[in-house]
Amino acid sequence: AQSVTQPDIHITVSEGASLELRCNYSYGATPYLFWYVQSPGQGLQLLLKYFSGDTLVQGIKGFEAEFKRSQSSFNLRKPSVHWSDAAEYFCAVAGGSQGNLIFGKGTKLSVKP
Amino acid sequence: DTAVSQTPKYLVTQMGNDKSIKCEQNLGHDTMYWYKQDSKKFLKIMFSYNNKELIINETVPNRFSPKSPDKAHLNLHINSLELGDSAVYFCASRFMDNEQFFGPGTRLTVL
Repeated sequence: AQSVTQPDIHITVSEGASLELRCNYSYGATPYLFWYVQSPGQGLQLLLKYFSGDTLVQGIKGFEAEFKRSQSSFNLRKPSVHWSDAAEYFCAVAGGSQGNLIFGKGTKLSVKP
Repeated sequence: DTAVSQTPKYLVTQMGNDKSIKCEQNLGHDTMYWYKQDSKKFLKIMFSYNNKELIINETVPNRFSPKSPDKAHLNLHINSLELGDSAVYFCASRFMDNEQFFGPGTRLTVL
């Protein structure tokens, strides 16, 4: 069955420090992968996506992610975190006949001043 | 202009009532979805629908029913509301390359 695992429930980093959020997926075919961010009380905003091609994907707000097929991973990174990055981050894979998203359980990011 | 809109943003109601949440997208997308986000922030697909096919997640109670009056709208009707239905409900629509755009969410509270 298709699934997404985000091993870290909560991560705290200092402002200006680098960030890596982990995501592992289980999917039989070539996956379409996504990272979304949800600020408190807000909807979901797409940070970046991977469909094919270059395995290092650039997104908005200075985020990037690297697709590693051998490790079934799609980790999200940012070189320098800003206080405004504090939010919930969701990794997802598109599955099903109509491409519905299968989400991980999310990683909550807190940023220390 | 909002791409995917939902109304209402907040909905507070009593157990046993029937309520609806509306969703509209102005992106011309063919496929629309409803997701439920529970109190632990877990997001799960409820329905996916295009102009030909409705796919229902088998775990969704039949008290929930999507209604699509036209390609731009996918409303969610909920009958006989229960406490466990309290959640945030997100509508989304899909672009051809599987990128989905989400609405702002509707926070449903059942008392």
